Amino acid sequence: SQTIHQWPATLVQPVGSPLSLECTVEGTSNPNLYWYRQAAGRGLQLLFYSIGIGQISSEVPQNLSASRPQDRQFILSSKKLLLSDSGFYLCAWTRDRLTDTQYFGPGTRLTVL
Amino acid sequence: EDKVVQSPLSLVVHEGDTVTLNCSYEVTNFRSLLWYKQEKKAPTFLFMLTSSGIEKKSGRLSSILDKKELFSILNITATQTGDSAIYLCAVPLVGGGADGLTFGKGTHLIIQP
Repeated sequence: SQTIHQWPATLVQPVGSPLSLECTVEGTSNPNLYWYRQAAGRGLQLLFYSIGIGQISSEVPQNLSASRPQDRQFILSSKKLLLSDSGFYLCAWTRDRLTDTQYFGPGTRLTVL
Repeated sequence: EDKVVQSPLSLVVHEGDTVTLNCSYEVTNFRSLLWYKQEKKAPTFLFMLTSSGIEKKSGRLSSILDKKELFSILNITATQTGDSAIYLCAVPLVGGGADGLTFGKGTHLIIQP
């Protein structure tokens, strides 16, 4: 069966510091991968998605970036965090482009102070 | 722009009550509608609906889609305290599931003993 991991689970970072969040999927190959952010009082917002190694599409202009260095690894980064980057970051996967159901990782709660 | 609106945003009921959660949507190319349950961390998948008028059921939870009126409802009968969660409704973006999901803000359901 497939499993999706995210780390760290929680993170407290000062404004202006860098960020790296990691997501890995086990038990499948060539998944579609997604990063979402859930801020207080708002719904889940799609940030990035990837259909393959090195292929990243961005949905929202921001100071975040994503990379997919390996088939089942998805990384969310920032060079300098803003207060507004605080939130709950969720990674998700689907089997392929024809599959709508997405399965989510446990999430990373980021607080920027 | 694709849009998903859920109501009510919050709901407090007593154990044993029946609740109905609503989700309306506006999408350019409808393909499916998904319901998720989010407790403390990751959203977990409940239902995917593609056809109008066909009820999906799992235990005390059921859901139905009305493609003519562009809405879906999620029913929970004989509620239990374990049903307390945020219930999220989502539709795939215009490009299909591979391009991510658009979520509503969710209904925060609290079941009081």
